[in-house]
Amino acid sequence: GQQVMQIPQYQHVQEGEDFTTYCNSSTTLSNIQWYKQRPGGHPVFLIQLVKSGEVKKQKRLTFQFGEAKKNSSLHITATQTTDVGTYFCAGPGTSYDKVIFGPGTSLSVIP
Amino acid sequence: NAGVTQTPKFRVLKTGQSMTLLCAQDMNHEYMYWYRQDPGMGLRLIHYSVGEGTTAKGEVPDGYNVSRLKKQNFLLGLESAAPSQTSVYFCASSSGGQGFYEQYFGPGTRLTVT
Repeated sequence: GQQVMQIPQYQHVQEGEDFTTYCNSSTTLSNIQWYKQRPGGHPVFLIQLVKSGEVKKQKRLTFQFGEAKKNSSLHITATQTTDVGTYFCAGPGTSYDKVIFGPGTSLSVIP
Repeated sequence: NAGVTQTPKFRVLKTGQSMTLLCAQDMNHEYMYWYRQDPGMGLRLIHYSVGEGTTAKGEVPDGYNVSRLKKQNFLLGLESAAPSQTSVYFCASSSGGQGFYEQYFGPGTRLTVT
């Protein structure tokens, strides 16, 4: 069946360092979404990418959709303690209206 | 707007007991979803609904039932709870489907089955 994978599973960085998480799908995606979940909280939508090779920025966060639309990345420049949380990518399932979430990358930022 | 609300926030069940989790949204969304979240496994879709009166199975539907009698409410039932159903349950809603629309999540229900 369709799979969405993310690496790494965990990342510990010193405050100010950069961070990148990668999302890979076993199938071509029409679009990909990214969500952030703070510890003890619920997932919150960050962004959606639709076009092949698309790059979007939100302040220190840069999102990229691969040319083949099977992978995506999230890069955070100069991490801050407010970036702590788990980042999930999500894509449409092969069955109509389903959404498949990746397992997430948990980011810890050491002050 | 309250967005998406879930009740209860916490629950402890004994094996074999039943319970219903309630999700309510005030955004007039057509689509609603139930997920479970376990450590290291992300969010897994249990059941979803594309409109009032409709339900469909997700990735991990066994042991759960759902109902969408009113557009704003989506109920998740456990008829005979098992320890494997210990998890955090999230409800979500969206204005459209096919994975093209932002999902709004509720605060979650932490369920422990002993």
